[in-house]
Amino acid sequence: DTAVSQTPKYLVTQMGNDKSIKCEQNLGHDTMYWYKQDSKKFLKIMFSYNNKELIINETVPNRFSPKSPDKAHLNLHINSLELGDSAVYFCASSQAAGTAYSPLHFGNGTRLTVT
Amino acid sequence: AQSVTQLDSQVPVFEEAPVELRCNYSSSVSVYLFWYVQYPNQGLQLLLKYLSGSTLVESINGFEAEFNKSQTSFHLRKPSVHISDTAEYFCAVSPTGFQKLVFGTGTRLLVSP
Repeated sequence: DTAVSQTPKYLVTQMGNDKSIKCEQNLGHDTMYWYKQDSKKFLKIMFSYNNKELIINETVPNRFSPKSPDKAHLNLHINSLELGDSAVYFCASSQAAGTAYSPLHFGNGTRLTVT
Repeated sequence: AQSVTQLDSQVPVFEEAPVELRCNYSSSVSVYLFWYVQYPNQGLQLLLKYLSGSTLVESINGFEAEFNKSQTSFHLRKPSVHISDTAEYFCAVSPTGFQKLVFGTGTRLLVSP
């Protein structure tokens, strides 16, 4: 009955490969997010989708492409992986994006290591 | 734009001692303020939030934070910590009415016996 689940938990791959991370939430939330946490624990928002529509797209390389097939899922596809992409990627969800009253619920993260 | 500063990257403390984790923010607009906690190998969990009203907010596990507008601070305190409080604590802000969290760099609270 996990609220926000991400797969895989660990991902080790070589430079140049393409990989995807999947995220699903069963909270009935309208908004989903991807955050990146670097090696210094700094968390930065990458994308936000509200009801399958992209609403936040921070300065992220085009190699990163989010896809939301429905409002319960937000996947992250990364092309041509680089060493600097190594990080922990967190998916999160909340109620409608237009209010801060709804806390974010985070998944447990996907640790991506690019060698 | 908003920014959050957590000056202490790590705070070691003995069990049952009081602790304060500092958070200062900068913003040209009104903000909501949050503290999130991250236990090892887990995602972040909301600890407490300030939206409006009383400047002192409390969590269910004994933490409290006070919003100080003049000092643009939102420090987190607990009068007596437990071993289980060992975790990474993140302060965050969001422009009012908009769900876009900006996080600080985190403070690692290390509680030892």
